[in-house]
Amino acid sequence: SQQGEEDPQALSIQEGENATMNCSYKTSINNLQWYRQNSGRGLVHLILIRSNEREKHSGRLRVTLDTSKKSSSLLITASRAADTASYFCAPNQGGKLIFGQGTELSVKP
Amino acid sequence: GAVVSQHPSRVICKSGTSVKIECRSLDFQATTMFWYRQFPKQSLMLMATSNEGSKATYEQGVEKDKFLINHASLTLSTLTVTSAHPEDSSFYICSSGQGVFDEQYFGPGTRLTVT
Repeated sequence: SQQGEEDPQALSIQEGENATMNCSYKTSINNLQWYRQNSGRGLVHLILIRSNEREKHSGRLRVTLDTSKKSSSLLITASRAADTASYFCAPNQGGKLIFGQGTELSVKP
Repeated sequence: GAVVSQHPSRVICKSGTSVKIECRSLDFQATTMFWYRQFPKQSLMLMATSNEGSKATYEQGVEKDKFLINHASLTLSTLTVTSAHPEDSSFYICSSGQGVFDEQYFGPGTRLTVT
């Protein structure tokens, strides 16, 4: 069953703007991970946030986790055209990553 | 980051034949690897957990006799799609990590087309 559900499904912004993607999940998790995928390629790990963490930063990425609401968000600041990709959240439940449908981000130059 | 390779990257086969896909962990020993499939514009669906030296664990709805997984060494897991049909056409991706609760490193994927 789908564990992570992303919102929005698609997002189109201008270069320089911030992009926010949200993720909700249904059951308890060990951690939650975010990945990006360029069309027809494998996935690239972006960031892992543990269940006892609330916020994590990595470069232009900021991830939050609210275990009481079973939700997470990914913020990409100062977006670039190269950020155009699909972004997936993947809650880790018992050692398995269960991927949501993803958010398709398009950053226009 | 660590590197996981897959071979082949693309394969076209005829209906009824079998296809083997290899997944190799190049930087570390992987006792566990994961196999996913992905349809166009859709999410990754976990098919099975490949365990070194023991039987794979399949997700509900995945036919273990159709998708044979072998994890004979700490760096190699193989997925064999047996008696392939056109509906098996998909993008197959493997992943591995230092541990199942750590970040996963994904292979570049294998595009399977069954004619």
